[in-house]
Amino acid sequence: IRMTQSPSSLPTSIGDRVTITCRASDDINSYLAWYHQAPGQAPKLLFIGVSSLQPGVPSRFRAAGHGTDFTLTIDDLHSEDFGTYFCQQYWSQSPITFGQGTRLEVK
Amino acid sequence: EVQLAQSGGGLVRPGGSLRLSCVGSGFSLRSHNMVWVRQAPGMGLEWVASNWCRGCSEYYADSVRGRFSVSRDDANNSMHLQMEGLRGEDTAVYFCARDRGGSHQGFDLWGPGALVTVSS
Repeated sequence: IRMTQSPSSLPTSIGDRVTITCRASDDINSYLAWYHQAPGQAPKLLFIGVSSLQPGVPSRFRAAGHGTDFTLTIDDLHSEDFGTYFCQQYWSQSPITFGQGTRLEVK
Repeated sequence: EVQLAQSGGGLVRPGGSLRLSCVGSGFSLRSHNMVWVRQAPGMGLEWVASNWCRGCSEYYADSVRGRFSVSRDDANNSMHLQMEGLRGEDTAVYFCARDRGGSHQGFDLWGPGALVTVSS
């Protein structure tokens, strides 16, 4: 299952609202997770099951979608939110596939 | 503290072998499905292999099947990735990660990564 994110990069500013989209090549129901990777760090899990916010993740993050189309929205962007965001499907376990990433950069 | 520590990265010539290790602390690896994910320089995340704790099932990406193998050492709360026949395209940071478990998967704990460079 191919995962396609858009945009690939997004110039943005602190305080902005940001929306990232992720599209699956096949129906993955709600078997989608989102990660954030700060530069030089390991990824951090944000959501599972499309919209289940993980412990410690701020409520300014929200996610939605079902089937093939998904979104991640960040309200009131903070400085620590810059970096790269990845979606990951787990409908198919072999292979597990990630989107190519969306890099949030300073405008 | 719950964490994963990694070791074993380095520089290896094409065709060579390398073994990566991932050691858990603060939790039992045997209770979780575990994965290896890699990231080539400047690129995205690529799933490499999974080791499921129930039934000892293993799954591999097509790009590494037959060359890489995952094993566990429950006595030392660790997991290993044995890499054979390494190629230039295997150059990447390799992360081990824990599946949180439950009906919805999510890799909630990651190691710091180990850089593998395949070059002559």
